[in-house]
Amino acid sequence: GAGVSQSPSNKVTEKGKDVELRCDPISGHTALYWYRQSLGQGLEFLIYFQGNSAPDKSGLPSDRFSAERTGGSVSTLTIQRTQQEDSAVYLCASSLRTSTALNTEAFFGQGTRLTVV
Amino acid sequence: GENVEQHPSTLSVQEGDSAVIKCTYSDSASNYFPWYKQELGKRPQLIIDIRSNVGEKKDQRIAVTLNKTAKHFSLHITETQPEDSAVYFCAATDTGGFKTIFGAGTRLFVKA
Repeated sequence: GAGVSQSPSNKVTEKGKDVELRCDPISGHTALYWYRQSLGQGLEFLIYFQGNSAPDKSGLPSDRFSAERTGGSVSTLTIQRTQQEDSAVYLCASSLRTSTALNTEAFFGQGTRLTVV
Repeated sequence: GENVEQHPSTLSVQEGDSAVIKCTYSDSASNYFPWYKQELGKRPQLIIDIRSNVGEKKDQRIAVTLNKTAKHFSLHITETQPEDSAVYFCAATDTGGFKTIFGAGTRLFVKA
C-alpha cells in the first residue's frame, strides 16, 4: 500500500482479555516502531525493529506486552490480560534505514484506539 | 538512553504572531532532529528536520535551529495562521539510528 496501515482502527475489549494489533509498514521500509499515545499525551516509545537485528524492547511497560515482526514486514503488538490503563492509541511507524540513509522520516499509521472496559 | 524535553506544553498566540517551541536532548551522539505536527484526530506527520551538521534550516514560515554544544533545538513558526493549531512534537534520533525518542509535545493554539 501507499502508507502505513494499522488494524483494527478501533478495539474495545474487556479487562483481562488479550488483544492483537497489526501494522503493515510501507513496503521496503526496514525500520518499524510502536508508540503509545494516551489521551492528550505525548508519544511513548514501546519497541523498535530494524531489519533482522534483535528488537529494542526497552520501552515495553510490562511483560504483558510483546511484539513480533514476521519476515521483516508485518508486525503485531500483543497485549495480554489487558488492564484499563492500557487504553490508548497505539501508533505504528516505519522508516527506510540503510547504510547510507541512517535517519530518515518516520511515516505513521492512523493508529489503533484501544479501549479496555 | 536519550531523553528529550519539550517546552512549553501549551502555547497560545494571536494569528500573525510568531511561535517558538524549544527542546533539549541528553545524548550528545544524537544527530537527527525531526519535528512532527499532529492535527486533532490525525497521525503525526513530519514538517521539518535538521541534521547535526547544520545549525539552521528554513522552509517557508517554519524554521528550526540547533545548538549542539548546548544540546537544544527549537522550532520557529512565523506569521501563524489558525491552521497551524496542532500538537507539535520534537524528536531526537541517535547516531545508531536505533530509535527516535519524542518530546512530550506542545499544543499550539492560534487565535483568529
